[in-house]
Amino acid sequence: RKEVEQDPGPFNVPEGATVAFNCTYSNSASQSFFWYRQDCRKEPKLLMSVYSSGNEDGRFTAQLNRASQYISLLIRDSKLSDSATYLCVVNIPSGTYKYIFGTGTRLKVLA
Amino acid sequence: DAGVTQSPTHLIKTRGQQVTLRCSPKSGHDTVSWYQQALGQGPQFIFQYYEEEERQRGNFPDRFSGHQFPNYSSELNVNALLLGDSALYLCASSLTASGFRGYEQYFGPGTRLTVT
Repeated sequence: RKEVEQDPGPFNVPEGATVAFNCTYSNSASQSFFWYRQDCRKEPKLLMSVYSSGNEDGRFTAQLNRASQYISLLIRDSKLSDSATYLCVVNIPSGTYKYIFGTGTRLKVLA
Repeated sequence: DAGVTQSPTHLIKTRGQQVTLRCSPKSGHDTVSWYQQALGQGPQFIFQYYEEEERQRGNFPDRFSGHQFPNYSSELNVNALLLGDSALYLCASSLTASGFRGYEQYFGPGTRLTVT
């Protein structure tokens, strides 16, 4: 089983729609979680850090379910500019720590 | 406030050659991590440097080595290049500190390496 798993998509949604992505992780000792956004041929950009059970930032809501070992990202009122790949990242305590990335979920918002 | 910078942006090398990639961390950051990202995949952790020492390593062979300098900048060296080393190489910086924020990493634009 992969350490971090995401549905690769693509998710094609109309403008204004609400879309949710899930990400599961296998290491129950994982301490921190992040969502990054990556545009084509660009570097990943930090979108949200996921604190305790979750947090919200404008149209974006991230939730953490430690019991079921998954995190989710909800995007409300999708914009064309939200089209990108969304990477789930889990911080695994291993000596110090290391980031494990999922393969990403592609989102395309359609006009 | 300068972000993470990397050089060069693109590089073409031949199988068997050696390559050095460079990274300067975001101002105020002291930790540098390197990642390899193949097309259609998520970034794969190579190693992390803090206080000029490698303190964490992913599943990469010894052909991949690195260095961190006193000013926190870092180099990634790859020897005996293989075709499969063609990828986007990303550098990320963070500030090692107690608390959650110490784990947030910020990425540079990457170096796209093509091995022919």
